[in-house]
Amino acid sequence: DIEMTQSPSSLSAYVGDRVTITCQASQDINNYLNWYHQKPGEAPKLLIYDASELEAGVPSRFSGSGSGRRFTFVISRLQPEDVGTYFCQQYDTVPSITFGQGTRLEIK
Amino acid sequence: QVHLQQWGAGLLRPSETLSLTCAAYTGSFSVHDWGWIRQLPGKGLEWIGENNFSGYSNYNGALNSRVTISIDASENQFSLKMTSVTAADAGTYYCVRKAYGHAFDVWGQGTEVVVSS
Repeated sequence: DIEMTQSPSSLSAYVGDRVTITCQASQDINNYLNWYHQKPGEAPKLLIYDASELEAGVPSRFSGSGSGRRFTFVISRLQPEDVGTYFCQQYDTVPSITFGQGTRLEIK
Repeated sequence: QVHLQQWGAGLLRPSETLSLTCAAYTGSFSVHDWGWIRQLPGKGLEWIGENNFSGYSNYNGALNSRVTISIDASENQFSLKMTSVTAADAGTYYCVRKAYGHAFDVWGQGTEVVVSS
């Protein structure tokens, strides 16, 4: 299976800050990479698909980039409702779909 | 707006069969793939498998022999059965809709599964 490694595993930032999360794949996955946000007690929510495409209804402060093995997720101006855990997910090798271990984001 | 509502027994004994069902409130059930993802404590998210209206299914190789996902198109429902559960299967199970590529754009509310003797 393709291993997805997210960094950092947790971070704390101020409202208004720019936040960056990276996801590294153990092998080339083209752009077959999605990003999710999970608030405590809720199901994950799709934010970005195909590495850089913004899901309908998702605020434009969220963005994604990358291809191959290294991917970046950015929140341009952190808002209080952005707290929670962010996951990347690859689908290059269906049926071996795998997720990153998650990045927990808190507000300072 | 698509909505998924899931239900099923959340307390099981080791070796029993987990059975969960998910109803999809959508007018386009037959054009999508439907599946299950679980979240295990300390292990993150794990894709279980998927199926569609045509009966084309895919399963996580690590669970393949224990898992069946079935579709009831007449009821807009799909189900998960996982046999021979152990404590390692305890966690929260989500039903999902698969969208473009393999993005999961709609999620059920989740069912917490406890396995205890």
